[in-house]
Amino acid sequence: GAVVSQHPSWVICKSGTSVKIECRSLDFQATTMFWYRQFPKKSLMLMATSNEGSKATYEQGVEKDKFLINHASLTLSTLTVTSAHPEDSSFYICSASPAGAGGARDTQYFGPGTRLTVL
Amino acid sequence: AQSVTQLDSHVSVSEGTPVLLRCNYSSSYSPSLFWYVQHPNKGLQLLLKYTSAATLVKGINGFEAEFKKSETSFHLTKPSAHMSDAAEYFCVVSEGQAGTALIFGKGTTLSVSS
Repeated sequence: GAVVSQHPSWVICKSGTSVKIECRSLDFQATTMFWYRQFPKKSLMLMATSNEGSKATYEQGVEKDKFLINHASLTLSTLTVTSAHPEDSSFYICSASPAGAGGARDTQYFGPGTRLTVL
Repeated sequence: AQSVTQLDSHVSVSEGTPVLLRCNYSSSYSPSLFWYVQHPNKGLQLLLKYTSAATLVKGINGFEAEFKKSETSFHLTKPSAHMSDAAEYFCVVSEGQAGTALIFGKGTTLSVSS
């Protein structure tokens, strides 16, 4: 149980185009999803917290107009990188926390990640 | 503010010998602490979690960690390393409330030689 998927797993795009990455919780509902960015041989950096039905909360230094987050349902959050540039190339990872009561609320389940390469 | 410090960026062990990955944390609250493992080209996998219950936490694949409040530590151990344990390990802290973000340490790369 507690499987999170991401699509696509790898995307290559031209500079200036937009790319959408999907994050789905396959066997549980998630009121909260998180988006992280991981640079090579570096730790994960939290970009934003996505709450179902409301606006995402972005971390300091993350451009909300560049990284658009939509959490339209309890099983799906999307991250759209708009007008992508080579410096946006990175590994993007989402995670989801199960909804409802219980000790699992602070446990996050991670997707496998999406590798974005901007040419 | 919460933070975690992984004291070693790289640990090398021989197969069959013990593993120790060190982590110190800082938190104003009663934290939840986690260890995650990331294998190459794979997603992050939860190894174990501490949430104010037993201080010695047993996880998957023979790993365990002990929460020591007096030392603000949460070191990860395994009695006998296996080749398949080679991966990146992250110590993580959260406030323990629903919907709160995880704060990741910088990671420790574990290498296992035969």
